Amino acid sequence: GEDVEQSLFLSVREGDSSVINCTYTDSSSTYLYWYKQEPGAGLQLLTYIFSNMDMKQDQRLTVLLNKKDKHLSLRIADTQTGDSAIYFCAEMGYGSARQLTFGSGTQLTVLP
Amino acid sequence: NAGVTQTPKFRVLKTGQSMTLLCAQDMNHEYMYWYRQDPGMGLRLIHYSVGEGTTAKGEVPDGYNVSRLKKQNFLLGLESAAPSQTSVYFCASSQETQYFGPGTRLLVL
Repeated sequence: GEDVEQSLFLSVREGDSSVINCTYTDSSSTYLYWYKQEPGAGLQLLTYIFSNMDMKQDQRLTVLLNKKDKHLSLRIADTQTGDSAIYFCAEMGYGSARQLTFGSGTQLTVLP
Repeated sequence: NAGVTQTPKFRVLKTGQSMTLLCAQDMNHEYMYWYRQDPGMGLRLIHYSVGEGTTAKGEVPDGYNVSRLKKQNFLLGLESAAPSQTSVYFCASSQETQYFGPGTRLLVL
């Protein structure tokens, strides 16, 4: 079945840029998503990219998609302590139910 | 507009007890989903529904049942709870993009 992989941990200094990486296996992915989860909370949609795009920018967030290598990244510019959270990558395959396959999440820690 | 809500927020069960988790959405979404989240494993799909009166199995359906009698509600049932079902359960609804509820923390002793 489809698989989505992420590294488990990332630490950055406040003010630096963070880059969270994700790889996936489903070549029929239509959309790819980034969700943020703060402690004790649900998943908050951050941004998404359609599979025929290679970049999307939204304020401090930049998503890069390399479809050939099945590699997705999320760059957070000027990382703040409030950005500390778990970030999930998810891909939507080609199907009628719009199901998502999630990575295991990357814990981002922002150090003062 | 409350989005996606879940009740209860937290529950402790003894092995063998049953319970129902309720998910409600007010966005008129066709699609609804139940996931469980376990440490280091991301979210895994339990069951989903593509419309009122329809349900289907996801990746980890065993031990759970669901019903979608009304478009806005999606119920997840545990008939005989087991310690392996200790987890955080998330509901989501979607028309194009999935929006998540705040979660239900379940502890089975």
